Amino acid sequence: ELKVEQNPLFLSMQEGKNYTIYCNYSTTSDRLYWYRQDPGKSLESLFVLLSNGAVKQEGRLMASLDTKARLSTLHITAAVHDLSATYFCAVDGSSNTGKLIFGQGTTLQVKP
Amino acid sequence: DVKVTQSSRYLVKRTGEKVFLECVQDMDHENMFWYRQDPGLGLRLIYFSYDVKMKEKGDIPEGYSVSREKKERFSLILESASTNQTSMYLCASSLFHRGQSPLHFGNGTRLTVT
Repeated sequence: ELKVEQNPLFLSMQEGKNYTIYCNYSTTSDRLYWYRQDPGKSLESLFVLLSNGAVKQEGRLMASLDTKARLSTLHITAAVHDLSATYFCAVDGSSNTGKLIFGQGTTLQVKP
Repeated sequence: DVKVTQSSRYLVKRTGEKVFLECVQDMDHENMFWYRQDPGLGLRLIYFSYDVKMKEKGDIPEGYSVSREKKERFSLILESASTNQTSMYLCASSLFHRGQSPLHFGNGTRLTVT
């Protein structure tokens, strides 16, 4: 059974600092997704990582995928308050069917 | 833009009631999914469907059923609501492209069972 684990689950950081969110998964998959959820809102797709070594960047967020280590990272550079949200990683659960298994989510709070 | 619409934003139902949650997408997506979201547990898959009249169980199907009579509509049914089904329910859709397409989510239905 595929399990997806994120850490940390909660992250409070100062504006301008850098930090990384980790996403580990238990079985082989080469498709990993990152989503953002603002309070009271639905999930918004951030990145789709489709192969080993894939790296995607948008603004202050950069995501990478290491399929051999079964690890993805979401790196935050020089955090700003607008990045405060909950971030989820998700892995394609079986045979690349599009059925995603989600991590628990990491709630990021960026303080001025 | 893909639009996934869930019929209700908030619902309050009594224990034992039959509850219908409706979801409609407007982008001709083949895949549709129902998740529930609970604090500390992330999103858990209840049911999904790859085509009209097709359905497959997710990780937590007990107490739920689904219906997909038309491609754009996917309904989640709670046959006899219980308090442990109080949760946020999220519908999503995606293209059937060997899993490369991200899920597009609706705004969610917050269900309270009393």
